[in-house]
Amino acid sequence: EAQVTQNPRYLITVTGKKLTVTCSQNMNHEYMSWYRQDPGLGLRQIYYSMNVEVTDKGDVPEGYKVSRKEKRNFPLILESPSPNQTSLYFCASSYQRASSYEQYFGPGTRLTVT
Amino acid sequence: GQQLNQSPQSMFIQEGEDVSMNCTSSSIFNTWLWYKQEPGEGPVLLIALYKAGELTSNGRLTAQFGITRKDSFLNISASIPSDVGIYFCAGHVNFGNEKLTFGTGTRLTIIP
Repeated sequence: EAQVTQNPRYLITVTGKKLTVTCSQNMNHEYMSWYRQDPGLGLRQIYYSMNVEVTDKGDVPEGYKVSRKEKRNFPLILESPSPNQTSLYFCASSYQRASSYEQYFGPGTRLTVT
Repeated sequence: GQQLNQSPQSMFIQEGEDVSMNCTSSSIFNTWLWYKQEPGEGPVLLIALYKAGELTSNGRLTAQFGITRKDSFLNISASIPSDVGIYFCAGHVNFGNEKLTFGTGTRLTIIP
């Protein structure tokens, strides 16, 4: 089954404790992206990757890091989480071709930073 | 970054009624997408629109790409309980990064 998976689905942590949220897709998509969703603000892009070893900042990259060492995986790293990073996070992927901008989303990771 | 104005923010309707929602932007988009998000899940793509003026249907859902390329509309006919959720519009501009700009969502509630 074609899908985007994220782990963990729920995470409660404390300020300053480094964490990683994993994202994996089995559709051989070139493009992957991370979003955060906050009430009243919709989905905002954190980082994206056009292909292996190619990443760039989205609209709200502060406090986050990413890496793209393999095509299927795109982990999101919070080196020193803070309470304002409490949010619902989504990973998404799509093909990199001019005729398709249809992104497929994972199930989400709800992060609480105390 | 850019933001899309999506309205209404929420809708309370009775089963069987038709639903209309729209998305507007101050700038042009080359692609419009409509997603639905159910509780505890990620957004799921409903309809993709690639040409100005295009009208596309997916079952009871119909979406249109505005002629000015600054807006899009989604209609749901004869709503049923499983239509409940948050509907998001998203726009894409060809800057080469595949970036989607999302609206703030329309929450649809169906009153039994």
